[in-house]
Amino acid sequence: QSVLTQPPSASGTPGQWVTISCSGSSSNIGSSYVYWYQHLPGTAPKLLIYKNNQRPSGVPDRFSGSKSGTSASLAISGLRSEDEADYYCAAWDDSLSGYVFGTGTEVTVL
Amino acid sequence: EVQLEESGGGLVQPGGSLRLSCAASGFTFSSYAMSWVRQAPGKGLEWVSGISNSGGRTYYADSVKGRFTISRDNSKNTLYLQMNNLRVEDTALYYCAKLIGRDGYKDYFDYWGQGTLVTVSS
Repeated sequence: QSVLTQPPSASGTPGQWVTISCSGSSSNIGSSYVYWYQHLPGTAPKLLIYKNNQRPSGVPDRFSGSKSGTSASLAISGLRSEDEADYYCAAWDDSLSGYVFGTGTEVTVL
Repeated sequence: EVQLEESGGGLVQPGGSLRLSCAASGFTFSSYAMSWVRQAPGKGLEWVSGISNSGGRTYYADSVKGRFTISRDNSKNTLYLQMNNLRVEDTALYYCAKLIGRDGYKDYFDYWGQGTLVTVSS
């Protein structure tokens, strides 16, 4: 059962800006870094954002992350067809002593 | 190049057991914590278990605690997940993931494998 809440879907036309929210609590997002993963089902998930807003090398600067209190967001600017995927936020949860993932958001490029 | 290759998945009856393996290469396996993450059909990602670089610390999701055991053999660069008393709800694609640090907590996964499918059904 996911502890972090995301909208089930988001969409936009090519070139548009899309944001995905991730809502948690004081035991996870409120006390831990937030990470974002891009996932095509059946393939290896890919790290997009680490430590709230840092991009690994090779991730386009169209992807950006932010965190405030017990919530976080992923923004995709200049939406492209290859951005169609599922996106998950994640954080360590001190109460559960384990990692928690968001419910996942399916991004569609119209 | 970091590579993680899972194996050992298959069809098993409820109450049965299965052992998953994850062969690692392209990095110093003994220096990093590792984890298992799963995805049930049509569902999202769920963290299952983690282990520190030495194997001295282990972590489990409540859903598998007492049934699953994570371990590693640093001499063979291999991560394991022993799954006992399997339930229908354990049916999922199981991913092996490398963490960025040694301890396995308050960290993040930087590399993932392609997954191995476990199906629990009578």
